[in-house]
Amino acid sequence: SQQGEEDPQALSIQEGENATMNCSYKTSINNLQWYRQNSGRGLVHLILIRSNEREKHSGRLRVTLDTSKKSSSLLITASRAADTASYFCATDNQGGKLIFGQGTELSVKP
Amino acid sequence: EAQVTQNPRYLITVTGKKLTVTCSQNMNHEYMSWYRQDPGLGLRQIYYSMNVEVTDKGDVPEGYKVSRKEKRNFPLILESPSPNQTSLYFCASSRDPGATQYFGPGTRLLVL
Repeated sequence: SQQGEEDPQALSIQEGENATMNCSYKTSINNLQWYRQNSGRGLVHLILIRSNEREKHSGRLRVTLDTSKKSSSLLITASRAADTASYFCATDNQGGKLIFGQGTELSVKP
Repeated sequence: EAQVTQNPRYLITVTGKKLTVTCSQNMNHEYMSWYRQDPGLGLRQIYYSMNVEVTDKGDVPEGYKVSRKEKRNFPLILESPSPNQTSLYFCASSRDPGATQYFGPGTRLLVL
């Protein structure tokens, strides 16, 4: 069963706007990761946040984690057309499995 | 260059004809895993391996086999492929399941 679930499934914005994607999960985790996938290509790691962290930044990316609500959000600020991709969250369940969500498809229009 | 390679990249086969998709990494990673990606379903883990000779089922292992005889290789075996195994397959490796995953380029499989 899928643990990570992203919301929304699809998001369309204009260049320069911010994009926010959410991820919910069901069980205790060690950490949560966000990945990006350009159409049909392999996933690329964006950022990792540990279960004892609440917020993390990397360039234009900001990730938050709320373990009490079992949720995380990914914010991309000042989006660019090149940010168009699918974004996935992934959680490890402390037992070896790594579970990916269904992804959010982001479209940034120039 | 640190990388995960998969072969073949594209494969068309017929129902019941055994096939193997190879996966190799050059980063000395202990953790390796296989995923399938289908529209609307995201990535689903098929099998994972914590180390040599240690493999375990993911969420969708039915119809697949794996082996981990060497640290660098983790082949995915479809003994008798069926059309519902038509999918995009990814191999990934990392230091451990909670660390950054390095993905291969993917293998597009069509089973007729």
